[in-house]
Order: sequence, then C-alpha cells, then structure tokens
Amino acid sequence: DVKVTQSSRYLVKRTGEKVFLECVQDMDHENMFWYRQDPGLGLRLIYFSYDVKMKEKGDIPEGYSVSREKKERFSLILESASTNQTSMYLCASSFGQAPYNEQFFGPGTRLTVL
Amino acid sequence: GQQVMQIPQYQHVQEGEDFTTYCNSSTTLSNIQWYKQRPGGHPVFLIQLVKSGEVKKQKRLTFQFGEAKKNSSLHITATQTTDVGTYFCAGRTSYDKVIFGPGTSLSVIP
Repeated sequence: DVKVTQSSRYLVKRTGEKVFLECVQDMDHENMFWYRQDPGLGLRLIYFSYDVKMKEKGDIPEGYSVSREKKERFSLILESASTNQTSMYLCASSFGQAPYNEQFFGPGTRLTVL
Repeated sequence: GQQVMQIPQYQHVQEGEDFTTYCNSSTTLSNIQWYKQRPGGHPVFLIQLVKSGEVKKQKRLTFQFGEAKKNSSLHITATQTTDVGTYFCAGRTSYDKVIFGPGTSLSVIP
C-alpha cells in the first residue's frame, strides 16, 4: 500500500513564525504535490515537484516555498505565517514522468495561524 | 483561466435515493479523475476516464465523460450512509495541469 505521511495532523502557529510542513512517501514516486483545501474552494495547488531538487509553481505559490532534497520527502515552508494561511494542507504523490496520474494523499495538516 | 466547476455544491438525500454530481470544464480535458473524501479524511482516488463518451461502473457508481470531453458526471444508485463525503473531479488540461473542482458534499439521511 502506498503510504503518504505528514509530520503533524494539527499545528498552531503565531503570525510571523516560520512554519515547516513535512511530507514523506514510501513508494518511490517521482511526483509530489502540496495543496491547500478551503471550504467551497476545493483543492488548490501550491507547488509540485517532479524530481529531486525540481519544483514548479502551482496556482497559489505566493507566501510559500518548497524543498525536495530527497525523492521521498517534500517540504512546504511558510516563511512568515499569516492568518490567511490558516487552512488544511494536503500532500500527495504520484508515479511516472507526468503529474497527472492517480494521486495518493496524506492525512493532511490543519494549520491555524493566530 | 481554466476552471473546473462542480454542481451542486451540497446535496442531501434520503438513504436509497439516487445522487448525481456534475463536473464542467471551461476547456477540453485530456482526462478526468474522480476522488472521494470522507468526513475528516483525505481524498482517495476512485477512477480515471480518458476517452470521449466513456462510461465506467464501480458497483453502484457510474462515471461518464462527455463527448466533447468538457464535462463528466458521477451517479450513485440507491445511496447508502457509507457514500457520505465530498466528491471531487480533477481534470487534466491541455497544458498538462491537473485542476480540481470545488467538490460536491453528499449527506445521506438514514
């Protein structure tokens, strides 16, 4: 079974703090994704990576950065957290050379920025 | 920009009734995927449709991809309480992007 794990289920941070969200997959997938999920807006892509050290901006990259130093790990970084970044963050991975194969999602991290 | 919309946003049905959610794209899609997210859970892949006019079935679930490859539907026959959740479509665009729809949230009243 593909397993995608995220470092925290719940996280509370203060405005201005630097926040790291970690995602690990155990199936040697090439592609990894970070989404945020907000009510009525569905899943919006923040960044994705199709290989180690490679990254592509998604639809809403502002205020975020990512790091992929190892194939199995994809980190999302909020350089200076703001209240409008309070959301559910979902990591996903998929196999193959293209980003549009079936995606396997992690359990999500619910981030609250106070 | 390219958009994928879903209707309805919410649907409440009596157990045993049928349910349909529709997914519409502003542009032609290469393929479409459907995911289900249970309350408190994460999205789980259900199926992928690729061909124009394609119809696929999974037990009580029927998935269709429109002839013009700009819309899709998911139909559930005789809903059960286990069907509760949010159903997302995700379309692959001509630019090889995958865009998720906002989802349809299904409630089933026992």
